[in-house]
Amino acid sequence: AQSVTQLGSHVSVSEGALVLLRCNYSSSVPPYLFWYVQYPNQGLQLLLKYTSAATLVKGINGFEAEFKKSETSFHLTKPSAHMSDAAEYFCAVTPKGNSGAGSYQLTFGKGTKLSVIP
Amino acid sequence: DAGVTQSPTHLIKTRGQQVTLRCSPKSGHDTVSWYQQALGQGPQFIFQYYEEEERQRGNFPDRFSGHQFPNYSSELNVNALLLGDSALYLCASSLGAGGGLGEQYFGPGTRLTVT
Repeated sequence: AQSVTQLGSHVSVSEGALVLLRCNYSSSVPPYLFWYVQYPNQGLQLLLKYTSAATLVKGINGFEAEFKKSETSFHLTKPSAHMSDAAEYFCAVTPKGNSGAGSYQLTFGKGTKLSVIP
Repeated sequence: DAGVTQSPTHLIKTRGQQVTLRCSPKSGHDTVSWYQQALGQGPQFIFQYYEEEERQRGNFPDRFSGHQFPNYSSELNVNALLLGDSALYLCASSLGAGGGLGEQYFGPGTRLTVT
């Protein structure tokens, strides 16, 4: 079974500082990988996804993530944090080989809450 | 273009009761997935509906059941509620046909509290 581990349930950064949120996956075959953001009292919004094309994936709001097979990691980064980035971030996986767009089920990590200090 | 909508927003039920949650998918989407998000946890997959049938199911008991209607909207039913069923229930819609890895769009969720 696939699983996702997010290191650090809570990360605090200063405004303008680098954001680094860690995600490691456990799978015998590299899966598809996703990062979602959840603002208070809202649903999840997709930031970016890795589907075995380029290993460096750029997403919305200036976020990017790099897939490293040797480290089984998919860490999320942003060069300069904004106050509006304060939210909870979830890494998720789904196995390759699912047929049909949208037919996959996501396995999520426990989330990392990002606080941005002014 | 309306996104994924869910109703009700909040719900309080007593142990042993039954509850029905509703979801309307994003326009053009035909697949609905349900997730349970307990406090402080990531969402957990419950099941997925496509063409009015349950296509995939996570590790949830039979007390959790669902339905998809011809207009692609969906219901999640939970019987014999337990305190542990208290959670945010998220609905996600996507396009099931065709190739590629289409995005799942999430609704704002229904907060269920069981007392």
